[in-house]
Amino acid sequence: NAGVTQTPKFQVLKTGQSMTLQCAQDMNHEYMSWYRQDPGMGLRLIHYSVGAGITDQGEVPNGYNVSRSTTEDFPLRLLSAAPSQTSVYFCASSPRDILYEQYFGPGTRLTVT
Amino acid sequence: AQSVTQLGSHVSVSEGALVLLRCNYSSSVPPYLFWYVQYPNQGLQLLLKYTSAATLVKGINGFEAEFKKSETSFHLTKPSAHMSDAAEYFCAVTLPYGGSQGNLIFGKGTKLSVKP
Repeated sequence: NAGVTQTPKFQVLKTGQSMTLQCAQDMNHEYMSWYRQDPGMGLRLIHYSVGAGITDQGEVPNGYNVSRSTTEDFPLRLLSAAPSQTSVYFCASSPRDILYEQYFGPGTRLTVT
Repeated sequence: AQSVTQLGSHVSVSEGALVLLRCNYSSSVPPYLFWYVQYPNQGLQLLLKYTSAATLVKGINGFEAEFKKSETSFHLTKPSAHMSDAAEYFCAVTLPYGGSQGNLIFGKGTKLSVKP
């Protein structure tokens, strides 16, 4: 199993550009989520999904969109990037019966100039 | 609402010394609690978890934590620090039931340095 994979590893965007961060898991996990990590802030939940076709907002959803068309994939879209979205983004997944047991991806480091 | 407070953003210990990383939580119901470790430029790895069974929880790499309801604490300890323990450690909390179990609330993290 590859576990949770994220692409790209690094990305630099200009203000106003859009992009999609990819996240995939091969463990057949129903729950997937996106966190952002900022220095001194810990990790904060952006969006999550409890299954294909179902998504919901976390603590810091503004400026981000998600969709979940398959169990395996959970992309995060930045529609118009802002410098405040400079961060490290982590995707996580967990099985339905142990939602709290999260498996994290390696992260995507995003810089918005 | 739930929250987690980690006391000390940086902790430095000598190799072989006791490691103590502090975590206090706030929750309206008895929560589930976790410690994660993050090595430089890597994702998070689960160290240990408390899910309402034994209050003393043992994890990987010789770490353990004790859930103390009266003190609303879940401090992480290791009797003897090793150089490889240098990393950032995060305490996290979640509700013990329902669809929100997956929505972890993280503390701000504590960076552990180990001196030779």
